[in-house]
Amino acid sequence: GAGVSQSPSNKVTEKGKDVELRCDPISGHTALYWYRQSLGQGLEFLIYFQGNSAPDKSGLPSDRFSAERTGGSVSTLTIQRTQQEDSAVYLCASSLWTGRNNEQFFGPGTRLTVL
Amino acid sequence: AQSVTQPDIHITVSEGASLELRCNYSYGATPYLFWYVQSPGQGLQLLLKYFSGDTLVQGIKGFEAEFKRSQSSFNLRKPSVHWSDAAEYFCAVGATGNQFYFGTGTSLTVIP
Repeated sequence: GAGVSQSPSNKVTEKGKDVELRCDPISGHTALYWYRQSLGQGLEFLIYFQGNSAPDKSGLPSDRFSAERTGGSVSTLTIQRTQQEDSAVYLCASSLWTGRNNEQFFGPGTRLTVL
Repeated sequence: AQSVTQPDIHITVSEGASLELRCNYSYGATPYLFWYVQSPGQGLQLLLKYFSGDTLVQGIKGFEAEFKRSQSSFNLRKPSVHWSDAAEYFCAVGATGNQFYFGTGTSLTVIP
């Protein structure tokens, strides 16, 4: 079956503009994660969705970042008033169920460049 | 606090040579440990995982890892590296609250 897909694959924007990044998880996966991967850094957890429960937003770096997940499937990560330090690869992952023993399936990422 | 350390930022090995990538974790309870590989332009792919039981776990592509509780380590090994193994490798620990902590990665270069 299809894996996790993300769009766009690349996004170049100007400082101060808003951007939306999309993630389509694997069908039937109840958990969805967003991570940020900056150059030379590991994956930084941003937000986690599980079913219809309230998302875990503890990793969002500022209130310029938000995310939603519609119908328990597609998710959109929005960054408002982008800054140059937001430049990174944004990765989405989904897993079949919750728990720290889950295998996460990752999408190819969206490379965001803020000029 | 939970954390994962990958001490080696970059490793270069010759094709056919053995490989060991280091991973140290900090976690108060029984760790759930993972190794992922990321090829250029690709998402992360799971190589192997450890939850409990046998401390030597086998994964895909001929990789294995050994969990050593006394050393808080989960090193990844492969007896003979192939050119296609050139990639970025990430170690991760699954923590409470459904969060996962990743190391900063080790970049592997394979020379002919």
